[in-house]
Amino acid sequence: DIQMTQSPSSLSASVGDRVTITCRASQYISSYLNWYQLKPGKAPKLLIYEASSLQSGVPSRFSGSGSGTDFTLTISGLQPEDFATYYCQQSYNTPYTFGRGTKLEIK
Amino acid sequence: QLQLQESGPGLVKPSETLSLTCTVSGGSISSSSYYWGWIRQPPGKGLQWIGSIFYDGSTYYNPSLKSRVTISADTSKNQFSLKLSSVTAADTAVYYCARRAAVGRKIDYWGQGTLVTVSS
Repeated sequence: DIQMTQSPSSLSASVGDRVTITCRASQYISSYLNWYQLKPGKAPKLLIYEASSLQSGVPSRFSGSGSGTDFTLTISGLQPEDFATYYCQQSYNTPYTFGRGTKLEIK
Repeated sequence: QLQLQESGPGLVKPSETLSLTCTVSGGSISSSSYYWGWIRQPPGKGLQWIGSIFYDGSTYYNPSLKSRVTISADTSKNQFSLKLSSVTAADTAVYYCARRAAVGRKIDYWGQGTLVTVSS
C-alpha cells in the first residue's frame, strides 16, 4: 500500500493567518492527490482534487500544489470555520490511502 | 443536492456481523459515472478505504478486509450496504458512506458517518 505522511500533525494559528500542510507519498502518485476537511458530526468535505483543482463551492482561500510525491495544501486568510482536521488521500493505486491528518486549532 | 445517510446498529457483539446501509437522495446509484463506497475511522486513528461498488455490481475490497467484507446495492431503493463479518473491538469506528467519481477518482460526497462500537 502507498503510505501518506502528513505534517504537521497539529497546528495552531490565528484568524487571518496563512497556513500550509504538507503530504508526502511513499511512491510516485502523479497528481492523484485529494484534500478533505473533517469536522466532528459533519460530513467530510472535499476541498482539492487532483492536487490543485478546487472543488466546486470551496472558497478560493484554499489551494493545493504538487505532483509526484510531494504536495501541499495552503489556506490563505484563515476563517473561524476553517478550524478542523485536514486529510490528504491518494487515488493513484488501490487501496486508496489517507494521511493521518492535521488538526488545525485556534491560537 | 446529493445526500448520503448511513443507518444501522450502533452496537455489535464480537464475532457477529456489522451491517450498515447508505441511503442516497438527490442522485442515482445506477449512474455509470460513480462508485459508491465505505470508509471508516477508528477512534484516534486515520481513515481507511473499505471498498466500493459500481453500477454494474462489480466490487472492490481493501485486501486487508477482503475476507470479511461484502458490499451490495439495491437500486430499487437507491441504497447500498456494507457487511463486515467476525468483528472484533478493532472494528470499532465511525463508518462513512461516500461517492467516488469514476473519472478523476475524487470522493466528492460523504455521509455524516455513524459510530459502530463492537462490544459484548
